[in-house]
Amino acid sequence: DAGITQSPRHKVTETGTPVTLRCHQTENHRYMYWYRQDPGHGLRLIHYSYGVKDTDKGEVSDGYSVSRSKTEDFLLTLESATSSQTSVYFCAISEATEFEQYFGPGTRLTVT
Amino acid sequence: SQQGEEDPQALSIQEGENATMNCSYKTSINNLQWYRQNSGRGLVHLILIRSNEREKHSGRLRVTLDTSKKSSSLLITASRAADTASYFCATDGRSGNTPLVFGKGTRLSVIA
Repeated sequence: DAGITQSPRHKVTETGTPVTLRCHQTENHRYMYWYRQDPGHGLRLIHYSYGVKDTDKGEVSDGYSVSRSKTEDFLLTLESATSSQTSVYFCAISEATEFEQYFGPGTRLTVT
Repeated sequence: SQQGEEDPQALSIQEGENATMNCSYKTSINNLQWYRQNSGRGLVHLILIRSNEREKHSGRLRVTLDTSKKSSSLLITASRAADTASYFCATDGRSGNTPLVFGKGTRLSVIA
């Protein structure tokens, strides 16, 4: 498996609280992505990064922010969690957008 | 919005049979990729086929691409119980630096 980890792996939080998910890679890949996966919707891109401090929005970016201060770390923040953000979140990395992506193990987030 | 759309949504077969999954997409692509996801895990890259290729093989996997019909198929021959998983196609955009867009997936169940 590619060297990509996510933390935490599971989290339960209350509506209105801030939440930060971390993705860490040891592959030195330029691109990093955050997805959410929900039944019936497949995998949807939230935000992605194409370099340190370079990020862009994906299909479902509302309510989420990201930061990448180092090549190896990509943080996803829910400023004020809502129940609609209950989901499984996956981080992925790639050397280029058209190349294969390597996925982390996922974070299961429950917002009560 | 989803670019690729898999068909069928779910497929159940007996061990030893072949499984065929299809993917249709809307806009021109540079390449198309197939991924597998075992329950509760991240996606794993299976195969990439470029727009100038018509067929590609990898072990028991055979992928075809018909750019005139904007469709691809994934064939798994002599399926095994361990092939039980969800399978996703992903397409890139013709223009550079566009992240992959994933379909909603086909859920394959292989019964021993």
